[in-house]
Amino acid sequence: SYVLTQPPSVSVAPGQTARITCGGNNIGSKSVHWYQQKPGQAPVLVVYDDSDRPSGIPERFSGSNSGNTATLTISRVEAGDEADYYCQVWDSSSDHQVFGGGTKLTVL
Amino acid sequence: EVQLVESGGGLVQPGGSLRLSCAASGFTFSSYWMSWVRQAPGKGLEWVANIKQDGSEKYYVDSVKGRFTISRDNAKNSLYLQMNSLRAEDTAVYYCARGYCTNGVCYPGPFDYWGQGTLVTVSS
Repeated sequence: SYVLTQPPSVSVAPGQTARITCGGNNIGSKSVHWYQQKPGQAPVLVVYDDSDRPSGIPERFSGSNSGNTATLTISRVEAGDEADYYCQVWDSSSDHQVFGGGTKLTVL
Repeated sequence: EVQLVESGGGLVQPGGSLRLSCAASGFTFSSYWMSWVRQAPGKGLEWVANIKQDGSEKYYVDSVKGRFTISRDNAKNSLYLQMNSLRAEDTAVYYCARGYCTNGVCYPGPFDYWGQGTLVTVSS
């Protein structure tokens, strides 16, 4: 089955840029989606199809995908961005949806 | 306004059964793929199962195959998850999540709307 690997944690100071990676075999050939989850809340889609943003998501959230790594970039990080972030793809070989293990973003 | 409201969670003994429901409103339910996603306490997200718009295709994560059954009733705008032979490792918050439609084409993912979840606890 397809495996997505994320760093357990990322820390960044307010106003700086956070980059959260999602590794997978030839992930560049897949569409990657990213979710934000705050404690006690349901996940929220923040980036889909590698780099598109749903309506209502700030432009500070962006994504890229190439080779074996997809990246969620959060510019001008705010305290309210502190959350868990998950990447997700569709594994065409099994028709299964797959999530990464999640990354806890800490705003220092 | 799109709403997904799960119900049916609770405490069940190992080996027992439970049926989760998800009531959908605010969109044309019959047009969308639907999924169940779970999250064990303190752990990450795990996709459990999904179902095509007309119920003709269903897919399951290996750990629940043969024990869980996903179904839907488009007339009632409802999604279901029948869970049998429950194990301690099935303990989690179970979310109902909607697939994605764009330009008249609908896909199993990404999940653009989620319910608030219902907690299933499997313990003796």
